[in-house]
Amino acid sequence: SYELTQPPSVSVSPGQTASITCSGDKLGDKYACWYQQKPGQSPVLVIYQDSKRPSGIPERFSGSNSGNTATLTISGTQAMDEADYYCQAHGVFGTGTKVTVL
Amino acid sequence: QVQLVQSGAEVKKPGASVKVSCKASGYTFTSYDINWVRQATGQGLEWMGWMNPNSGNTGYAQKFQGRVTMTRNTSISTAYMELSSLRSEDTAVYYCARGSLSATGDYWGQGTLVTVSS
Repeated sequence: SYELTQPPSVSVSPGQTASITCSGDKLGDKYACWYQQKPGQSPVLVIYQDSKRPSGIPERFSGSNSGNTATLTISGTQAMDEADYYCQAHGVFGTGTKVTVL
Repeated sequence: QVQLVQSGAEVKKPGASVKVSCKASGYTFTSYDINWVRQATGQGLEWMGWMNPNSGNTGYAQKFQGRVTMTRNTSISTAYMELSSLRSEDTAVYYCARGSLSATGDYWGQGTLVTVSS
């Protein structure tokens, strides 16, 4: 079965850039999307079709996808961005990454 | 505004079945797929399957085939997910999500906690 692998955790200082990777076989040939989930809340779609932002998602969230890796980048990270992030492609979710804003 | 409102928490015994509902509002129910995703406590997201509310066509993750059934009632814009032969490992929060933008969910329900315990 298809698998998507993410780093378990990423730490970032406020105002800096956080990058979260998602690795899977030929992932670049599929559309990837990203979800943000805060404790006790439902997931929120932050990136779809590799790099597009849904309405209401801040511009500091961006995405890319090529080869075997998709990347979610949070520029100018804010305390409110502290959450778990999941990639998804072809119906499969990634393992999840906890972003901590120190 | 788009809303997906799910039914309340359930407690079931091993071997029983559970049926979770997801009522949609704020959009045309038959125009978007409904996906079901679950999350055990402290664990990641797990996609269970999808349903096309217009045709009733479904697709299930291999792990759940034979145990899950996704249905709908278009007259009340409600989707259902029934999971049978429950075991303790099925204890989780179950979410419905509207499929759109090549993603499993651009809008999500609030989640339904299903606890399987003897």
